[in-house]
Amino acid sequence: SQLAEENSWALSVHEGESVTVNCSYKTSITALQWYRQKSGKGPAQLILIRSNEREKRNGRLRATLDTSSQSSSLSITATRCEDTAVYFCLNNTNTGKLTFGDGTVLTVKP
Amino acid sequence: EAAVTQSPRNKVAVTGGKVTLSCNQTNNHNNMYWYRQDTGHGLRLIHYSYGAGSTEKGDIPDGYKASRPSQENFSLILELATPSQTSVYFCASGDGVQNTLYFGAGTRLSVL
Repeated sequence: SQLAEENSWALSVHEGESVTVNCSYKTSITALQWYRQKSGKGPAQLILIRSNEREKRNGRLRATLDTSSQSSSLSITATRCEDTAVYFCLNNTNTGKLTFGDGTVLTVKP
Repeated sequence: EAAVTQSPRNKVAVTGGKVTLSCNQTNNHNNMYWYRQDTGHGLRLIHYSYGAGSTEKGDIPDGYKASRPSQENFSLILELATPSQTSVYFCASGDGVQNTLYFGAGTRLSVL
């Protein structure tokens, strides 16, 4: 079973537009992480947001966390072609087992 | 800089053969993970480890064994490879505190 799920399989935007990827989870978490995977590479962490935080920013990226609805979002502003990638959320629990969702494929068109 | 190295990068194996995928990390992280990724799927957890000598089953452990002989090395073993195990395999290390994962570049395995 998946402990973290992105809510849209694929999104497409044009350069300069903003986009939001959503994630829901089913267990109690200590933190939630967002990763990006570019074609042919391993995933790389973008943001980690702790369970007592509501928002975290990293440049053009903004993550939110709503523990009451067990959901998180990752927003990207002023998108660029190089933001084209698969985006995953990953929830941290008290166990060492870390399970990803299926990911959201984001395509940024020129 | 954090470094996770996987070998080989590409492997072609025959059905019924034994395959060993290797992973080495220089991060001094306690936790290590093996995931597989298939088209249309995310990363699925096969095995993970909390430290040398420890291995734990992930979500899809059937047909795979893992070995953690040292802090640095974590291997994934397919004793009897099958075509359904054709996939891209990723190894990762994590510090076990914030659990940020650092991934290798992946191993593309084809079982014919």
